[in-house]
Amino acid sequence: KAGVTQTPRYLIKTRGQQVTLSCSPISGHRSVSWYQQTPGQGLQFLFEYFSETQRNKGNFPGRFSGRQFSNSRSEMNVSTLELGDSALYLCASSFGSTAGVTEAFFGQGTRLTVV
Amino acid sequence: GESVGLHLPTLSVQEGDNSIINCAYSNSASDYFIWYKQESGKGPQFIIDIRSNMDKRQGQRVTVLLNKTVKHLSLQIAATQPGDSAVYFCAESRSGGYNKLIFGAGTRLAVHP
Repeated sequence: KAGVTQTPRYLIKTRGQQVTLSCSPISGHRSVSWYQQTPGQGLQFLFEYFSETQRNKGNFPGRFSGRQFSNSRSEMNVSTLELGDSALYLCASSFGSTAGVTEAFFGQGTRLTVV
Repeated sequence: GESVGLHLPTLSVQEGDNSIINCAYSNSASDYFIWYKQESGKGPQFIIDIRSNMDKRQGQRVTVLLNKTVKHLSLQIAATQPGDSAVYFCAESRSGGYNKLIFGAGTRLAVHP
């Protein structure tokens, strides 16, 4: 069974640009969550999508957005990039449930560098 | 590879010893807990989870203990191997929070031959 696939693995962008990252979850999983990881702040939750609906959101500015498609693949977008957005962006795939938490499996991440 | 965190607490152990990594969680309403292992340049790897209706759960070479009274979680690794060297994170979540995980700061485990 294929794992969580994130593309691209590495990205370099200039301040002010926007970027789109992609995540393909494990087959059969309907929940996709996104996290930002930095040395200073650690792993922070961005948002979660389940069956194409955002059902949870972390404390990030509106420049961070996402969506999920009918095949459960998800994208996240960051507009007007700032230097502080440089981070490892991780996607987590879960079977998903309306009842509560299920095991989450992470992809390798996308390393975004803003210059 | 890329370093996960530059100033994480470090636990140094000898190969073959048992390791205990501790974590204090923040929310008394949390009812689901996971331990992840992250190697340099990789995403977190699921190790073991436990729900709040349990005190202990065992996997292969790993045991997670949950003490809800003091909001404490620990991961025990038996017969630690060099391949166990990584950063270990605990994460918590709660029913109604769906798959929103709140992560601890992490502990670096260094295994010496």
